[in-house]
Amino acid sequence: GAVVSQHPSRVICKSGTSVKIECRSLDFQATTMFWYRQFPKQSLMLMATSNEGSKATYEQGVEKDKFLINHASLTLSTLTVTSAHPEDSSFYICSARPRSAGRSYEQYFGPGTRLTVT
Amino acid sequence: EDQVTQSPEALRLQEGESSSLNCSYTVSGLRGLFWYRQDPGKGPEFLFTLYSAGEEKEKERLKATLTKKESFLHITAPKPEDSATYLCAVHLLYNFNKFYFGSGTKLNVKP
Repeated sequence: GAVVSQHPSRVICKSGTSVKIECRSLDFQATTMFWYRQFPKQSLMLMATSNEGSKATYEQGVEKDKFLINHASLTLSTLTVTSAHPEDSSFYICSARPRSAGRSYEQYFGPGTRLTVT
Repeated sequence: EDQVTQSPEALRLQEGESSSLNCSYTVSGLRGLFWYRQDPGKGPEFLFTLYSAGEEKEKERLKATLTKKESFLHITAPKPEDSATYLCAVHLLYNFNKFYFGSGTKLNVKP
């Protein structure tokens, strides 16, 4: 149980274009979904937190107009990187917190999406 | 300021050589401490959650312990397949959605 998927696993796009990454909780409903960014040999940096049906809460320093988050349902959240630039190249990981009360403090991670902007 | 520090940054062990990884934290209030395993190019995999000082949890060759200032991940008789980066994260008492991650310990177990 507690499986989270991400699509695509890898994406290469040209500078100036937009790319959408999907995050799905496959076998549970997620109260909250999180989006992280990870640079090589560094830890995870929280970008934003989203709850189903409400606006995402962005961390300080994260441009909300550049990283658009939509949490359409209890099992799906999307991150759209708009007008991507090479410095946006990174490993993006989502996680989801189960709705069930017994596991509500835990979060389960997706496999990540490697974004390369050329 | 809330901080999480993991040490060592990297650890190389021979198969069967037991050791411990450290996660020290300074936070305004701890709701829980989490350990994850991350393989290269993959998302973190949940290992343990610890909620109070003195708590211990075990899974196969791994054992996690918690004090008021730090947590240890003990690895007993490791195998090459235990090679990975181990991350700890603290869940804050006063911010339900905030997890602070340490920078990780990269473990390499040689056969």
